Amino acid sequence: AQTVTQSQPEMSVQEAETVTLSCTYDTSESDYYLFWYKQPPSRQMILVIRQEAYKQQNATENRFSVNFQKAAKSFSLKISDSQLGDAAMYFCASSNRDDKIIFGKGTRLHILP
Amino acid sequence: DTAVSQTPKYLVTQMGNDKSIKCEQNLGHDTMYWYKQDSKKFLKIMFSYNNKELIINETVPNRFSPKSPDKAHLNLHINSLELGDSAVYFCASSQRVYSGTNYEQYFGPGTRLTVT
Repeated sequence: AQTVTQSQPEMSVQEAETVTLSCTYDTSESDYYLFWYKQPPSRQMILVIRQEAYKQQNATENRFSVNFQKAAKSFSLKISDSQLGDAAMYFCASSNRDDKIIFGKGTRLHILP
Repeated sequence: DTAVSQTPKYLVTQMGNDKSIKCEQNLGHDTMYWYKQDSKKFLKIMFSYNNKELIINETVPNRFSPKSPDKAHLNLHINSLELGDSAVYFCASSQRVYSGTNYEQYFGPGTRLTVT
């Protein structure tokens, strides 16, 4: 069975600092995708970053980057130069070929001014 | 233009009623989904349709019936609403690549359903 675990229910970071959100997953597939989604108070689910399992290079999107450790089944999200607008719930998710996306329980990120 | 839209955004209704939530995507995607987000923010897939065919049907009460009139629309009908159905329901869409590998999903704004 496919599982995604986020062990940090809440985190706080000072504005302009860097924060890392943890995620571990389990899958028996060799071909899969990993995602980080952001859900701000507006409730909209927004894709932050996406990683193909077959790619060794870590994905980056501006201030957002991941540390993908395939052997350890770890997929952490690093947010650099944190901004007030980054405050949101962050969901780690994985998807196999069966079209399901399985989400973790989320990490609520607070940005301290 | 909104890529994935849902109506209504808020729905308050009484137990026992029947209600529908509509979803439309204008991205040209061939796969659509319904997710339920409970009060603890846990997101769980309910259904998925690819080209109007049901491909994922998780363990969901049969009071929930999805309907896909065409690949741009996926509606969710709920019969005999119960208190436990109160949640935020998200529609999403994606394009299934030829190899069958899933691509990222684009989410609608969500529908907050409150059953009293």
